[in-house]
Amino acid sequence: GAGVSQTPSNKVTEKGKYVELRCDPISGHTALYWYRQSLGQGPEFLIYFQGTGAADDSGLPNDRFFAVRPEGSVSTLKIQRTERGDSAVYLCASSLTPEVRDSGANVLTFGAGSRLTVL
Amino acid sequence: GNSVTQMEGPVTLSEEAFLTINCTYTATGYPSLFWYVQYPGEGLQLLLKATKADDKGSNKGFEATYRKETTSFHLEKGSVQVSDSAVYFCALSPYSGNTPLVFGKGTRLSVIA
Repeated sequence: GAGVSQTPSNKVTEKGKYVELRCDPISGHTALYWYRQSLGQGPEFLIYFQGTGAADDSGLPNDRFFAVRPEGSVSTLKIQRTERGDSAVYLCASSLTPEVRDSGANVLTFGAGSRLTVL
Repeated sequence: GNSVTQMEGPVTLSEEAFLTINCTYTATGYPSLFWYVQYPGEGLQLLLKATKADDKGSNKGFEATYRKETTSFHLEKGSVQVSDSAVYFCALSPYSGNTPLVFGKGTRLSVIA
């Protein structure tokens, strides 16, 4: 598509429930990133995919968080047993290559985000 | 480690005022530096970037110069408009490997007519 698409745009759930957030990157972008943005903070890195594999998942806060990208395009962020502290805007971004210097292709394009509220 | 520190907001300016938003960074090696902007109700957008020391990134009247000696990448605009009201994020991409962008906390700018 023309841009990075994220669904749902808003999700309200109850504590303890399971949530899935979807990201559809720009066609042809090999790298895909998930970030979390809490109110008044900058985006915080969660996980990064190069193709189908997770190249870096060091930002996932605990084992309740998991993400997949089975065909190297669409990705799903999965949160189990949600907690109130998980409430945030979850941002997805994609890029042509992972931050290759001076290539002109080291720019992340972000989606509008999925706002998650855990009651 | 890699980190970005930017001035806290909110910043409130009158239309046509001069804008500076300070950003300093800590990084191993020689990172690329970025400014992203988030307009109300919209996603993050790249505003400008610089990939090496002394490079100047510019876009929409905004400028920032990569200063290695002071590890800074301050954002400036000579005459702000109401439409510039947004949250501005400074970010870096480390030189080595595929480490994703590291963002600052953001600075909210409000421009009043």
